[in-house]
Amino acid sequence: DADVTQTPRNRITKTGKRIMLECSQTKGHDRMYWYRQDPGLGLRLIYYSFDVKDINKGEISDGYSVSRQAQAKFSLSLESAIPNQTALYFCATSEPTGKVADTQYFGPGTRLTVL
Amino acid sequence: DQQVKQNSPSLSVQEGRISILNCDYTNSMFDYFLWYKKYPAEGPTFLISISSIKDKNEDGRFTVFLNKSAKHLSLHIVPSQPGDSAVYFCAASAGGTASKLTFGTGTRLQVTL
Repeated sequence: DADVTQTPRNRITKTGKRIMLECSQTKGHDRMYWYRQDPGLGLRLIYYSFDVKDINKGEISDGYSVSRQAQAKFSLSLESAIPNQTALYFCATSEPTGKVADTQYFGPGTRLTVL
Repeated sequence: DQQVKQNSPSLSVQEGRISILNCDYTNSMFDYFLWYKKYPAEGPTFLISISSIKDKNEDGRFTVFLNKSAKHLSLHIVPSQPGDSAVYFCAASAGGTASKLTFGTGTRLQVTL
């Protein structure tokens, strides 16, 4: 079984709809992240959480919100989807290793299309 | 403002030859660098990393070189294998920002027979 799972894997929705993307992990990691990938732009950090009570904005958090329901679950919501939120969304997890940056483990991604 | 740049969107290399993927960065605060590999329909997977206190790190067929003065790092794959065909992302982190990674735009490597 995959350590980091994302649901749904694909979603097509309409402008103005509320969408929730879910991420679950069995790695036992405290740290979780949401990224989006756009062609030609690489991966950009939306939100991150270092434990259940800790939520932080990334570089592109506008238009998004998150909920850390448990250590293993981290959801990303688009309250009112717009077409430029069409992208590939990745969830990732990590644990502190003593290095400057942890190794992050990614889920398989959710492809979201907003019409 | 793209702080981590991978100027080659694609690269084609013959099996058995060396693949060299390049990455440039502009933020002098970056002090830890990682390479991730991504296959279609999968998430990125960690490949190799390097701290700014080193200029080289090796792991099997993969070697990462860091030139701090030039703000440049490269990933060498020797010998290249067809299974190495993927998109490669470099990422960087600045000290004190824990695990906030800044990713490059990716280079698609195709290893041909």
